[in-house]
Order: sequence, then C-alpha cells, then structure tokens
Amino acid sequence: AQSVTQLDSQVPVFEEAPVELRCNYSSSVSVYLFWYVQYPNQGLQLLLKYLSGSTLVESINGFEAEFNKSQTSFHLRKPSVHISDTAEYFCAYMDTGRRALTFGSGTRLQVQP
Amino acid sequence: GAGVSQSPRYKVAKRGQDVALRCDPISGHVSLFWYQQALGQGPEFLTYFQNEAQLDKSGLPSDRFFAERPEGSVSTLKIQRTQQEDSAVYLCASSLAGGTSYNEQFFGPGTRLTVL
Repeated sequence: AQSVTQLDSQVPVFEEAPVELRCNYSSSVSVYLFWYVQYPNQGLQLLLKYLSGSTLVESINGFEAEFNKSQTSFHLRKPSVHISDTAEYFCAYMDTGRRALTFGSGTRLQVQP
Repeated sequence: GAGVSQSPRYKVAKRGQDVALRCDPISGHVSLFWYQQALGQGPEFLTYFQNEAQLDKSGLPSDRFFAERPEGSVSTLKIQRTQQEDSAVYLCASSLAGGTSYNEQFFGPGTRLTVL
C-alpha cells in the first residue's frame, strides 16, 4: 500500500537550534513530494515541493528538503529555527498519474525560547 | 478574500442527523478536492472534481457521503445519518487547472464537524 510515514509526532527544539523532520514514503510509482505547514488556527499552506530535477528544494523562509530515491525519504531541515516556526508540518506525496494528495500524520514542531 | 472559503466553520450534529458542508473555491479554479482530517491525523483524500465532473470518489468512506459541484464552482459535501466516527475537520482545496500535470492545491480553513 502507498503511504507516508512521519516518524516523529512531536519535535521540541530550542530557538536558533537546527531541526530535521523525518518523512519516508512508500510508493511503487513516480511521485511528487511536498511539505505542508499548518500554523495555529490557520489552514494548510504549501511549504515546498519536489517535482523533478534537483533533489534539494528550498522554501522562502529557510527550510529545505532533499529527495532521496534510494531511501524513499524527503526529510525537512532548517539550520536555525525561530519561535514563529512553531506549527504542524505534514509530509505528502502525489502519484504523478493522479491528483489526490496522500499525507503523513504530521509532526508538531514546538520551538522554545 | 481571494482564498478558498468554507462554511460553516463549526458544525455540531446529533448522531443520525444529515449535514451539508459548503466549499467556495478560488474563482476560476477548475479542480476541487475534499479531504477529511481526523484528530491527530493528516488529511485523507475523499473526492475530486474537475469542473462539474466527479472524476475520483475513491476516498469516500461509505455511501452516506455524497459530494456535488453542479455548476463547476461551489461544492457541497453531504453526510447522511452522521455517526460519531464522522467527527473530523473537512478540508476543501482547489487548483487552477485539470489534467494530470501538477497544479498547486490551495486549502480552505476547514469545517470542524462534531457528532454527539
């Protein structure tokens, strides 16, 4: 079965520390990969995406993710987090032949001062 | 407001009642999606429309769930004879184009349904 696994349900981290949110997927077909963010009391927003080409993708607020086909992973990283990064982060994929997104269960990033 | 809007934002229903949840996509967006997000989980796909055509309803959990988009714009998700397990946030998303090439999905704020 196709699925997305986010290994950590919660990640507490101190401000200005680095963070990695892990994501592994299982699919027998080509996929697009995504990270979505949900800030408190807000809707889901696309943070970054991998469609093709360079395996390292970046967001405008300093996050990056690297597509690793051999390990079927798409981990999200940031070298120095801010309080404002506190949110729920969802990894997702889309089968290139379909339109539906398949989401992981989410990782709550809690940045502490 | 140019984003996806959903109404009501909160809905409380007694078990057995029927509910209707509305989604207004971004103007001009061809594709519309419904997802269900249970507490502590990620969203799960329910159904997908391209204009008024429902092209994928593989995620609808039972025949109590029905979605429509009769004029290719506003969509309604209807749940008949609600059960407690239907309690969740129902998310709507829209994207600009149809077809199989990638188009970003823009999500609405969701409707939180609580079935007592």
